[in-house]
Amino acid sequence: LAKTTQPISMDSYEGQEVNITCSHNNIATNDYITWYQQFPSQGPRFIIQGYKTKVTNEVASLFIPADRKSSTLSLPRVSLSDTAVYYCLVGDMEVAGNNRKLIWGLGTSLAVNP
Amino acid sequence: GAGVSQSPRYKVAKRGQDVALRCDPISGHVSLFWYQQALGQGPEFLTYFQNEAQLDKSGLPSDRFFAERPEGSVSTLKIQRTQQEDSAVYLCASSPGGRTHEQYFGPGTRLTVT
Repeated sequence: LAKTTQPISMDSYEGQEVNITCSHNNIATNDYITWYQQFPSQGPRFIIQGYKTKVTNEVASLFIPADRKSSTLSLPRVSLSDTAVYYCLVGDMEVAGNNRKLIWGLGTSLAVNP
Repeated sequence: GAGVSQSPRYKVAKRGQDVALRCDPISGHVSLFWYQQALGQGPEFLTYFQNEAQLDKSGLPSDRFFAERPEGSVSTLKIQRTQQEDSAVYLCASSPGGRTHEQYFGPGTRLTVT
């Protein structure tokens, strides 16, 4: 299972764009990259997932370079309510595979200041 | 619609007691996961079900931990002879299956062993 490395913490201000980069040097061919958000006393919430290049949804964008050894979660114009822990995960997507385990690291604690 | 629910939300157990934690996944979701999350840490995988089949239990920390999903819907995580190190938040997540790592998490059960 590919291990991920991300900054422990980041600070930002309301209205700024925040980019959180995750390193996954040992990513395998079948692995997808998934990001979650977690608020205190709540379960994690899915944000976005992708395989290569760029994925965008109503919440965030995910940039994945050609070598796929890293990825960047981009949050546009953050607000105070985006203060949370953000996790980057890498895992196999094969439907037939029994290994659907995801390895969660410590995540990145993002603090958005007024 | 209804999300993933877990009960109880809080459980205090005396060391040596048995506890049972319940998870009601989103209706129709094939995959169900249990995680353990210690304070300040990311979720740690415990076990995974596809329908009623437990396909991966490699994360269960000891034989005191047992999980079941007999009819492919509701799941129970049982911890026998609880120890203080079992104190954590236990998260349940469900997923529709297929080629996605999008999991829907419940609020968790906070277990405190005294």
